[in-house]
Amino acid sequence: GAGVSQSPSNKVTEKGKDVELRCDPISGHTALYWYRQSLGQGLEFLIYFQGNSAPDKSGLPSDRFSAERTGGSVSTLTIQRTQQEDSAVYLCASTNRGGLEETQYFGPGTRLLVL
Amino acid sequence: GESVGLHLPTLSVQEGDNSIINCAYSNSASDYFIWYKQESGKGPQFIIDIRSNMDKRQGQRVTVLLNKTVKHLSLQIAATQPGDSAVYFCAENPHYNQGGKLIFGQGTELSVKP
Repeated sequence: GAGVSQSPSNKVTEKGKDVELRCDPISGHTALYWYRQSLGQGLEFLIYFQGNSAPDKSGLPSDRFSAERTGGSVSTLTIQRTQQEDSAVYLCASTNRGGLEETQYFGPGTRLLVL
Repeated sequence: GESVGLHLPTLSVQEGDNSIINCAYSNSASDYFIWYKQESGKGPQFIIDIRSNMDKRQGQRVTVLLNKTVKHLSLQIAATQPGDSAVYFCAENPHYNQGGKLIFGQGTELSVKP
């Protein structure tokens, strides 16, 4: 079946602008995660959604970052007033925590460049 | 604090040789570990996982070993092929029952020479 998809694949923006990144998880997956990967680095957890529970926002680096998940499926990560240090690859993953599946499956990422 | 780290940032092997990528973790409460492969321009791809109640698990050409005594994880790739060239990340889940967010190491770049 279809995997996790993300859009756009690349985004170039100017410092101070807002950006929205979209994630479509695997159909039926109950949990959705956002991670950030800076150049040559490992992945850094940002935020986690599970069903109708309140999201775990403990990884968000500042209040300029927010995310929502509508209808328990698609998620949007919003970065307001972007800064150059926000440049990174933003990765989304999903898993079916309601079932036996635990593995997080990742999308291809959105490469964000803030000029 | 919690961290997952790798002993070797780069590894170069000849095609056909076996590869071993190592990883150290710091949280003794972690109960689930995963290896991901990331090719340039792509998202991480699941390779193999292991629970803390096991010390070895085998997949197709890959084996993961877990040594809880020294908090060490390794990924062995048999008969390494050029298509195995990528960055490999280990990740741990120290709080599976509280959300499953993963802590990743910095990655090891595997280069396979033909």
